Amino acid sequence: DTGVSQNPRHKITKRGQNVTFRCDPISEHNRLYWYRQTLGQGPEFLTYFQNEAQLEKSRLLSDRFSAERPKGSFSTLEIQRTEQGDSAMYLCASSAGQGTNYGYTFGSGTRLTVV
Amino acid sequence: AQSVTQLDSQVPVFEEAPVELRCNYSSSVSVYLFWYVQYPNQGLQLLLKYLSGSTLVESINGFEAEFNKSQTSFHLRKPSVHISDTAEYFCAVIPSGGYNKLIFGAGTRLAVHP
Repeated sequence: DTGVSQNPRHKITKRGQNVTFRCDPISEHNRLYWYRQTLGQGPEFLTYFQNEAQLEKSRLLSDRFSAERPKGSFSTLEIQRTEQGDSAMYLCASSAGQGTNYGYTFGSGTRLTVV
Repeated sequence: AQSVTQLDSQVPVFEEAPVELRCNYSSSVSVYLFWYVQYPNQGLQLLLKYLSGSTLVESINGFEAEFNKSQTSFHLRKPSVHISDTAEYFCAVIPSGGYNKLIFGAGTRLAVHP
C-alpha cells in the first residue's frame, strides 16, 4: 500500500479555466476528506465522504467547486471558472473509520496556481 | 464553533535546546486533540494525539504534549531538538460528535539552527 495518492502534484492554470484533481485513498478506507491550505494557514476543511455519500460540505465550497466519489473509491475535486483566490494546496485524507480511533492518512497534496 | 490558536507563527531555536510550541483551542463541546508535522514537500503526519486518559502524551521521537482542560491548551514540547525537527507543526482538534473533521491552527514553523 503506497498511502494516499494525489494527482497532479502541481497544476498551473489560467483564470477562468476548469481544473480537476484526483485522490486515491488507501484501499480499505471508507472515509475521505478534502482540505485546502493557503500560504501561512493551516488546512481548512472542504468536504467529507463516507463511501460514496458526500455527508458534509463547508461553506468554503462555493458552487464553482464540486466533489465526487463514485463507487466509494477514488475521489475528484473540480473547480470551475478558476479565480486567483483558488490558488492553494488541496489536500486529501482518508481513514478506515472514526479518525480518532483509526487515524488519518494525508496525501502530499495538489498545488494549484491560478495565473 | 471551534477554533485553534497557535500563538507563534515561527520559532527559531538552536540545536539541542528545549522548545515549546503553544496551542490553545476554543470549543463549546469536548474535543480530541492532535499535533501534526509537515516536512517540506511532504504530507501531514500525525505526531501525537490525546483522546482520553493520561493528559500527558508522547511521540516516538521525543516530543510530548499535555492536555490542560482548565487552560484549554495542548502545548507541544521537546527537551532537546535536532536539525531534523525543522518543519511546520499544526495543532488540531476534532469536536466530539459530527463527522470527525479536523480543525487546524495556522501552524508554527520550527527552525532548528546548528
